[in-house]
Amino acid sequence: DAKTTQPPSMDCAEGRAANLPCNHSTISGNEYVYWYRQIHSQGPQYIIHGLKNNETNEMASLIITEDRKSSTLILPHATLRDTAVYYCIVSYGNKLVFGAGTILRVKS
Amino acid sequence: NAGVTQTPKFQVLKTGQSMTLQCAQDMNHEYMSWYRQDPGMGLRLIHYSVGAGITDQGEVPNGYNVSRSTTEDFPLRLLSAAPSQTSVYFCATRRSGVTTGELFFGEGSRLTVL
Repeated sequence: DAKTTQPPSMDCAEGRAANLPCNHSTISGNEYVYWYRQIHSQGPQYIIHGLKNNETNEMASLIITEDRKSSTLILPHATLRDTAVYYCIVSYGNKLVFGAGTILRVKS
Repeated sequence: NAGVTQTPKFQVLKTGQSMTLQCAQDMNHEYMSWYRQDPGMGLRLIHYSVGAGITDQGEVPNGYNVSRSTTEDFPLRLLSAAPSQTSVYFCATRRSGVTTGELFFGEGSRLTVL
């Protein structure tokens, strides 16, 4: 599975959009990009995933560059409850490998 | 509909003791897996199963055994616990017939080995 690079931490003002970047320059053609988040020490929560097209659901949007070497997770209106560790994963098949993730702190 | 249920939630062991972490799911998911998370780190895959009778190793399988006799249950066994196995353990499942898509996680089992 391809490795990902994420910034260790980011801050965001409450009510503003949070844009979390992820680099995955060695991604293979059949590998998907997944985003999960972990609040405190709870089990990770699925957010969104995509292959090459941009995706949107009720939680977030996923923007994948045309060359697929990077992606951005967008939380359109961040709230204090969005403070968490966000994991970007690229994978195809049965092994999802989690990196260290980005700590997102939403501040009032 | 309970989803993914892990027991126990907390456990303290002495070095050399054995125990089994239980994971049960009621979603009829074929895929089940175990992760461990050490303080301040991401999750690491221990073992996974794509169906009853089928298991495979993940990134860090040493010191752990698994079996999958039913679709619902995927127990993780520590045969001789070591302090290095102090961690939070998460069970995760995924619905049948797909190799992509959402993983559903349990609440975790916190294990301390003295």
